[in-house]
Amino acid sequence: AQSVTQLGSHVSVSEGALVLLRCNYSSSVPPYLFWYVQYPNQGLQLLLKYTSAATLVKGINGFEAEFKKSETSFHLTKPSAHMSDAAEYFCAVSVWAASGGSYIPTFGRGTSLIVHP
Amino acid sequence: NAGVTQTPKFQVLKTGQSMTLQCAQDMNHNSMYWYRQDPGMGLRLIYYSASEGTTDKGEVPNGYNVSRLNKREFSLRLESAAPSQTSVYFCASSRAPGTQYFGPGTRLLVL
Repeated sequence: AQSVTQLGSHVSVSEGALVLLRCNYSSSVPPYLFWYVQYPNQGLQLLLKYTSAATLVKGINGFEAEFKKSETSFHLTKPSAHMSDAAEYFCAVSVWAASGGSYIPTFGRGTSLIVHP
Repeated sequence: NAGVTQTPKFQVLKTGQSMTLQCAQDMNHNSMYWYRQDPGMGLRLIYYSASEGTTDKGEVPNGYNVSRLNKREFSLRLESAAPSQTSVYFCASSRAPGTQYFGPGTRLLVL
């Protein structure tokens, strides 16, 4: 079974500062990895995904994440935070479930990013 | 192209009442999912459907039933609502490996 751990339920940064949101996973098979963003009172939107093509993945809004197999990590970064980045961020791992015939995702508990002016 | 739609947006129930949450997608995706989101718990999978006519339990299926009516629609039913089912419910669909497209959510309050 797979699991996802997001370190820190809240991360606070100043506008213009580096954003680093941590995600570690466990999976018995090579996984697909994702970061999603959720703005208040909305559903989740895909930020970026890792599907084994390249270890450094670029997403929308200037975010990127690096897959490190040896560390089982998939941390999300952005060089310079903007006020509009304030949201909840979820890391997810997805593996194929043969019994159900579908990819089954497991989500982390989320990290709330707070951006100070 | 509306993506994933959910109805209703908000519902208040009394303990013991039943209701059905509706979900539809217009992206021709095979897989559909129901999640609940509770503070500090992330998203937990209730049920999923890999294709029309199939459904499987997720992490927290107790107290819920689902129906995959056709390729577009996947409904979630609460037969006898309990206060512990107060939550925000999200429907999602998927085609590419693992990538999920989410609806706007249904906020359910059970008194």
